[in-house]
Amino acid sequence: AQRVTQPEKLLSVFKGAPVELKCNYSYSGSPELFWYVQYSRQRLQLLLRHISRESIKGFTADLNKGETSFHLKKPFAQEEDSAMYYCALRRRGSNYKLTFGKGTLLTVNP
Amino acid sequence: GAGVSQSPRYKVAKRGQDVALRCDPISGHVSLFWYQQALGQGPEFLTYFQNEAQLDKSGLPSDRFFAERPEGSVSTLKIQRTQQEDSAVYLCASSTSGVGAWAFFGQGTRLTVV
Repeated sequence: AQRVTQPEKLLSVFKGAPVELKCNYSYSGSPELFWYVQYSRQRLQLLLRHISRESIKGFTADLNKGETSFHLKKPFAQEEDSAMYYCALRRRGSNYKLTFGKGTLLTVNP
Repeated sequence: GAGVSQSPRYKVAKRGQDVALRCDPISGHVSLFWYQQALGQGPEFLTYFQNEAQLDKSGLPSDRFFAERPEGSVSTLKIQRTQQEDSAVYLCASSTSGVGAWAFFGQGTRLTVV
């Protein structure tokens, strides 16, 4: 069975502070990891995925297979980063269903 | 259209009533997914279509749930004899068929069973 764990339901930081949203997973095969974001009153949208190894809106995430983690990081948080963040995985090389974590609500205070 | 469109956005149903939720995927997207998101939880997979074929319905919680996509575009999720535990946001997502494609989500339909 595959599982995604986001240990923090809520995370609050001040503007300009570093932020790290944690994601751990369990999966017997080769996974593909994603971060999805949902801003207030907007739809769920892709933020980034590990195979792209890109930085989006200043966010990065590195897949650590040894620790089975895919933590999302940003060195300097902005107020507009306040949103709900979901980590998700699927079988690598497939276009198949996603397994989501329960999400972390990030609040960036001024 | 510009994105995945779902209707209605909100639905209140009396317990025991049947409901139908509609999803218009992005034009040309072969794959279509339905997810259920309960309050405070992440989305959970319900079912998956490739064109008109329903390839996986393992996530449907009971036989009261039924999904179809008869012409390979618009999809309908039907819930018969709704129960309070069916209250949730139902999300539809679509994607191309290529390996590595990622899903685009609709705004969701919030179903409240009273």
